[in-house]
Amino acid sequence: DVVMTQSPLSLPVTLGQPASISCRSSQSLVHSNGNTYLGWVQQRPGQSPRRLIYEVSKRDSGVPDRFSGSGSGTDFTLKISRVEAEDFGVYYCLQGTHWPFTFGPGTKVNIQ
Amino acid sequence: EVQLVESGGGLVQPGGSLRLSCAASGFTFSTYWMTWVRQAPGKGLEWVAYIKGDGTDENYVDSVKGRFTISTDNAKNSLYLQMNSLRADDTAVYYCVREPRQLANWGRGTLVTVSS
Repeated sequence: DVVMTQSPLSLPVTLGQPASISCRSSQSLVHSNGNTYLGWVQQRPGQSPRRLIYEVSKRDSGVPDRFSGSGSGTDFTLKISRVEAEDFGVYYCLQGTHWPFTFGPGTKVNIQ
Repeated sequence: EVQLVESGGGLVQPGGSLRLSCAASGFTFSTYWMTWVRQAPGKGLEWVAYIKGDGTDENYVDSVKGRFTISTDNAKNSLYLQMNSLRADDTAVYYCVREPRQLANWGRGTLVTVSS
């Protein structure tokens, strides 16, 4: 199975400041069809997850443009340009290239 | 607007069975792949199974193979998960999600508790 690792696992952030989460996979996430199925979901306390980013860098409609995704192969990053209070929660990276699809362990973003 | 509403969760004894349902609306159900993702209390996320919209392809994570069956009823725009031989480690919130590779839309989930 593809192992997804994230760092840091806990991220204290200051409102208005940038934040970054790293995600690495144990093997390349480039599918045979050329797509890279790496995404990011956000889960606020008591809520179901919500997708933010898919295929590395495509942002869902309604997701603020302060969120951006980048990377390739096995190394990926989620960046928040300026953290807002509503951004607290747990962020998971996920891969949908190799079955069984797998998630990272999650990064808990705490607002300082 | 895409809506996914799960139901069927509850308390069941080890070795028992449960059938989860997911009512879908806001999109052409039969043309999309669907998946179940679960989350144990206080833990991370885990894919369980996926199925092609027309029911011709499905797959399962090893821990549920032979015990769980995913299915669809396109006439009812519904996704199901038949869970047999339930174990304590199956305790989780089960989410119905559209597009297994992309996880585009999530339901609110239904809680399954396996305990004596």
